[in-house]
Amino acid sequence: GAVVSQHPSRVICKSGTSVKIECRSLDFQATTMFWYRQFPKKSLMLMATSNEGSKATYEQGVEKDKFLINHASLTLSTLTVTSAHPEDSSFYICSASLTTRLARNEQFFGPGTRLTVL
Amino acid sequence: QQPVQSPQAVILREGEDAVINCSSSKALYSVHWYRQKHGEAPVFLMILLKGGEQKGHEKISASFNEKKQQSSLYLTASQLSYSGTYFCGTEIRGNTGKLIFGQGTTLQVKP
Repeated sequence: GAVVSQHPSRVICKSGTSVKIECRSLDFQATTMFWYRQFPKKSLMLMATSNEGSKATYEQGVEKDKFLINHASLTLSTLTVTSAHPEDSSFYICSASLTTRLARNEQFFGPGTRLTVL
Repeated sequence: QQPVQSPQAVILREGEDAVINCSSSKALYSVHWYRQKHGEAPVFLMILLKGGEQKGHEKISASFNEKKQQSSLYLTASQLSYSGTYFCGTEIRGNTGKLIFGQGTTLQVKP
């Protein structure tokens, strides 16, 4: 199957700093990438849809200025958590959408990034 | 808008069967099933695109009833490796391919 990578896998930062998370599709081009947030033992909460070359579409309740998303190319999307605070600590997962003749909008997930804000 | 999964948790012995249901209040274009192990990313299992469609993957299969806006995941002769949390992701007609995930069903298979 298609491979999606995320970097870093784990980050610990001080309150007030900004953290950038990269999501790459390694062996396919993804016109659409999605960013999710997951709390322990909870479901995947969609934060935003990222399309190459255009502004991200954020879900209701997600602060655009807090979570900056850039989709610079067909294989790279970045999520920047600006001025991070302890309540931003979470597991952030990206997915890349693969649309084929047989499988429409199949999503492949990256391994996730564990963010801890002290 | 979040689909509802049932049951919330299942404990099985190896070789037993289980069914996980996913129900939506919205009309669905497709249903996606994923399995997630603790601390890892979700792993894609299958997509169901049409009403009444059934698909299979080894001993895991699924059905999609478009009219009832429901999907079920069937795990037969369960193995220890089936343990994890199963999520259904629903794609609503007219959306951009984005998925709304259910709350998850935790499956534990014991020897």
